Formats: sequence, C-alpha cells, structure tokens
Amino acid sequence: GAVVSQHPSRVICKSGTSVKIECRSLDFQATTMFWYRQFPKQSLMLMATSNEGSKATYEQGVEKDKFLINHASLTLSTLTVTSAHPEDSSFYICSANRGGDSNQPQHFGDGTRLSIL
Amino acid sequence: QKEVEQNSGPLSVPEGAIASLNCTYSDRGSQSFFWYRQYSGKSPELIMFIYSNGDKEDGRFTAQLNKASQYVSLLIRDSQPSDSATYLCAVPRGGSNYKLTFGKGTLLTVNP
Repeated sequence: GAVVSQHPSRVICKSGTSVKIECRSLDFQATTMFWYRQFPKQSLMLMATSNEGSKATYEQGVEKDKFLINHASLTLSTLTVTSAHPEDSSFYICSANRGGDSNQPQHFGDGTRLSIL
Repeated sequence: QKEVEQNSGPLSVPEGAIASLNCTYSDRGSQSFFWYRQYSGKSPELIMFIYSNGDKEDGRFTAQLNKASQYVSLLIRDSQPSDSATYLCAVPRGGSNYKLTFGKGTLLTVNP
C-alpha cells in the first residue's frame, strides 16, 4: 500500500492564487521529505529538501519565497506555491525515505497536478 | 556530461519478449541505484534497487549493476502490455540516498 500520501491530487485556479500542497508519511516518521516538479515529457527535478524543525534546502534556481515549505511535524510537509502564475503549472510530487533511513529508497506520493489559468 | 543518462526511446518490444533498459551515471562514488516506473500522468513507483555489483532478480525484473563501467540496467522478462510506461533511473548525489538525480527516462511500449 501507499507509504506517502499527497493532497490534493489536482488544483485548477486563477493566476495570483496561492496553493498549498500537503505530503504525509503514513505509518512512519520522516525527518526529511523532498519536493519535485515535473513538466510534460521531462524528468523529475528536485526543487527542495524539507527538513523537520528547520529551514528547507532549495536547489539552485528555485525561489524560496515563491515556494514556501513547512515541515512542522515528523509526518507532514507542505509546499505553498505563492501567487501562482501560468508558468508554475506543473506536476508536483513529494517523496520520503521510509523510516527516514538513507539506505532505503524513496517512495513518492501520487502527485499534484497544478493548473494556473 | 549529464549525471544520469538514459536512452529516451521509445523502446518497442512485442509481448513476451525481454525489454532491456540502460542507464549510465557519472558519479563514481554512487553506492545505490534505483529504477522507477512512471505511467503517464502518474507519479513514479519503485521497481527495483541495487547496491552491489552483479544481478538482482525480483520476479520478472532483473537489475544489473557494473560500477567499474558505471552503468546499471533493468531487464524485464516476459514483457506485458501493462509494462508499457516510462522507466526512470535514479542515482543518489554524493553517496546519500537523500537526494536523487533522475535520468530523463526511457519510454517502453509493449505491443500485444
């Protein structure tokens, strides 16, 4: 069964809206979670690493003020796309290592398809 | 040189055949390697992971790792139409599983 839950699965909203996406680890604690973005016909690109109790680490070129990450508990990380614009339309996916063990592979949530009109 | 390279395909095989997917990586320090399957419009699903040189078998899937040559492959035996998907190779950065670099993926089509 699923080990990482992501919600919502799809969002359609107007330009300028802020959108929050939730990622939950099921039945295990995840001190670290990851947020990816995938544009059509392209591979996954890591946006940021979400760290429980501390600031997220952003990849080069990703605006931290645009993509706000909060990891307030050991099972929940949220990504907020602030003042979203059409170019932010993409497939956003979170992941976590089961049990937070770096020797275990990452499992992905079902993804959130964001469409900004 | 790209960190993780895959043949984008598409790779087309008949049902029942063996599908062979290849991946090369640039970081010699990489210790673990992952294959994910991604159906169109869905998120990636873990298929196999391998840490040691040689072969690792799981059902119809076999992962092969050659660290000296820096390549990892995925073989799918008795391919089924339901195997049709994009297969992503992922390699951790800097030896840590915490940050994965993905290849662009190989689109596999299994024809009935």
